[in-house]
Order: sequence, then structure tokens, then C-alpha cells
Amino acid sequence: NADVMQNPRHLVRRRGQEARLRCSPMKGHSHVYWYRQLPEEGLKFMVYLQKENIIDESGMPKERFSAEFPKEGPSILRIQQVVRGDSAAYFCASSPGKEQPQHFGDGTRLSIL
Amino acid sequence: AQSVTQPDIHITVSEGASLELRCNYSYGATPYLFWYVQSPGQGLQLLLKYFSGDTLVQGIKGFEAEFKRSQSSFNLRKPSVHWSDAAEYFCAVAGNQGGKLIFGQGTELSVKP
Repeated sequence: NADVMQNPRHLVRRRGQEARLRCSPMKGHSHVYWYRQLPEEGLKFMVYLQKENIIDESGMPKERFSAEFPKEGPSILRIQQVVRGDSAAYFCASSPGKEQPQHFGDGTRLSIL
Repeated sequence: AQSVTQPDIHITVSEGASLELRCNYSYGATPYLFWYVQSPGQGLQLLLKYFSGDTLVQGIKGFEAEFKRSQSSFNLRKPSVHWSDAAEYFCAVAGNQGGKLIFGQGTELSVKP
């Protein structure tokens, strides 16, 4: 799944720090989705963006989490003032259109000390 | 609200045996349906998808799935399992206009030699 590039692959933060997760979609894909996979749970949708616009953020926690997908550059998922419960694998997916299948990156494993 | 149920958390089959992974969904209309596979530490790889048309869909790696509207099911099958098929399998649904995916809890497949 290397065509959707996520970095870093692993990220360690202390409680209260900020975490920034990056996602470069596949070439030609303008739709980006973020999902979170908590231990022992399935994948949960967080946010859906299409170049510079947030289309659906119904899965985003109301506080501390934000996402952007600027005209130039990767999509960023930002978590402010991280807490232990934010420890999870965060996956990005991209597609060329809303009705097209999503292709996933290998994820960022976030650990909070 | 959309939901996906994978009744089997863990399945063990012998190499060469047939496989069926169950998936039931809840959605008001005919959704888009997907099966993804995830190996440890990796992202999700799309095995197959159903949008419309023939209810028996073929995917990669010898997998197939059948959409049964009357049973709200989309079970994944493979006639002969290989040791390399050991992984976690996720069924997912999207609305018929695409967008966010709703995932089941996943089924972990182990393959005995």
C-alpha cells in the first residue's frame, strides 16, 4: 500500500504534546479520509477532505483534533495536548472520487507516554 | 444508521480447506460493499468491491464474495486457503454515493499447516 504515503510510521509523544500525522494521497487522488484503529477495536471513520475542504467530519472528536488538506502538500491530522487514550493506529486513505474505492496507507502508530 | 457485523472474531482453518467469512450490514438502500485484508503492522488492501450488477464478485488472491440482498449479507469465500492468507479481514459499507466507510469489527484468520 506504499502508494498512499503516511509519515511518520511511528510517533511517540508525551502527554500534553502535539502530534502531527501526514498523508500524501496517491497520484491523481483528491479525496482523503482519516480513520483510527484503537486496540481491540475496528477502524472508525474520522474525517473526509477534498482539497482545501472538509466534506464530513462527523467522526472527529470535538476537541483537540483537526485536519486539513491544503492545495499544495499532504493532508495533516493534528492532535493537540495528546492524552493516553489517543494511542492508536491512524490510517489515511485516498480515492480519485467519492464513489471510487479507497486505497489505504500503512498507517501511523501513535504512542503516548 | 449504517452498521456492519462480522459475527466471527477469530476463525482457524486448515491449509487447503475452504473458507467463508460472514458479513451482515444494515442500510436502507443498496450500499457499496467492500472486503479489505490487513496483515500485522500494515495498512488495508482492497480484496473486492460490490457497487451494482452481478451479485457474485471476484477479487484478488482467489477471493470472491456474494451479495444477498434478502439476507443483508456479503460473505467472503475462498475455495482453498493458503498459509499466506492468515491476516485480519474487514468488511465495510459505504452509502450509495460513496464517502466514508463503516467497518465491521474484523475477523482474524489463522491457517493451520
